[in-house]
Amino acid sequence: DAGVIQSPRHEVTEMGQEVTLRCKPISGHDYLFWYRQTMMRGLELLIYFNNNVPIDDSGMPEDRFSAKMPNASFSTLKIQPSEPRDSAVYFCASSFPRRAYNEQFFGPGTRLTVL
Amino acid sequence: AQSVTQLDSQVPVFEEAPVELRCNYSSSVSVYLFWYVQYPNQGLQLLLKYLSGSTLVESINGFEAEFNKSQTSFHLRKPSVHISDTAEYFCAVSPYGGSQGNLIFGKGTKLSVKP
Repeated sequence: DAGVIQSPRHEVTEMGQEVTLRCKPISGHDYLFWYRQTMMRGLELLIYFNNNVPIDDSGMPEDRFSAKMPNASFSTLKIQPSEPRDSAVYFCASSFPRRAYNEQFFGPGTRLTVL
Repeated sequence: AQSVTQLDSQVPVFEEAPVELRCNYSSSVSVYLFWYVQYPNQGLQLLLKYLSGSTLVESINGFEAEFNKSQTSFHLRKPSVHISDTAEYFCAVSPYGGSQGNLIFGKGTKLSVKP
């Protein structure tokens, strides 16, 4: 298996622009998580899905952030408009709790820089 | 609800010295316990986990962790560290039988191994 795939790996954009991060979970996994990691705040859970349905989005910072999962093999995290304080590494993870006891498999991350 | 406390944000040690990274958790129900490792510029990956049975669990690269129910701790240890162990280590818990797949992470401990 290729593992969790994220794209792009690096994104540099200017304040006010729309940013879309993409994630392909491991095939067969029914949970998908989006995290944000910064030096100041550490690792934060933004939102997670179960069977493509958002379960908990309480970690989404504000309305500028949105996430979708149109099918079992694809999810997006969108920031519109972006701001410099959104600069962070964004991780996607997937899991199949009934088999792997809630072990989460992380992607390599997308490093976002907003100028 | 569950919470995880990693008491040390940074741990500097010399190569070949022993190390202990501390993790305490709080939960009203039984939990599964995990340690994840994040090497520089990479995503998180599972290091070891406690599900049931023997309270001492080991990883393939010489780390071990012991579940102590009375002290609600799951400290990570290695008797002799290598430069390559330099990374950030995250402790995480998940409730027994939880179908939600969610993990609660601590804030991480940065292990820096010096020659």
